[in-house]
Amino acid sequence: NAGVMQNPRHLVRRRGQEARLRCSPMKGHSHVYWYRQLPEEGLKFMVYLQKENIIDESGMPKERFSAEFPKEGPSILRIQQVVRGDSAAYFCASSLRGNTIYFGEGSWLTVV
Amino acid sequence: TQLLEQSPQFLSIQEGENLTVYCNSSSVFSSLQWYRQEPGEGPVLLVTVVTGGEVKKLKRLTFQFGDARKDSSLHITAAQPGDTGLYLCAGERKTSYDKVIFGPGTSLSVIP
Repeated sequence: NAGVMQNPRHLVRRRGQEARLRCSPMKGHSHVYWYRQLPEEGLKFMVYLQKENIIDESGMPKERFSAEFPKEGPSILRIQQVVRGDSAAYFCASSLRGNTIYFGEGSWLTVV
Repeated sequence: TQLLEQSPQFLSIQEGENLTVYCNSSSVFSSLQWYRQEPGEGPVLLVTVVTGGEVKKLKRLTFQFGDARKDSSLHITAAQPGDTGLYLCAGERKTSYDKVIFGPGTSLSVIP
């Protein structure tokens, strides 16, 4: 009865490196969401994907950020050329039909 | 523009006290969820309310969905230190898909 699985839980990257965050949704869920949370702030929507499709990427920064959810395998959030401002907790969530969503435990990115 | 507002933003109370936190919007939602998030963890779903005027109870927590489905409240009776956390409300809106929007959260601290 695995929930939403995210890895790594903690990631440290130097400025200019790439960060890849992975998310495996709950079994049977085909909808995946990525959110970013800064300290003492709420969740900011980034992107909503279904298998092989990006449904809504209105919260994604225009540059350096990309997301995919391939037919096989986990969803990936990729951040290229990271900067200090990218340091945050990144949460993945999944849902069955786009209604109630369930969260993973998050990936904490620190850019040094 | 914040589609969902939560109040208060911060709340610190003594163990045993009662409290109410609010989630408000000018938009109508088809359903609304409440989550609790503890430091270093992902948000955990507490309840989903669907029908206008609906009241749900979860032990010492009482959730109400407004008649017009634009607002919700969470009442905690006899708060305990274990209730400490960030309480997030999230509303589902029917657009081209079921979009879930989060409020900024209420940070609750219950002092023993």
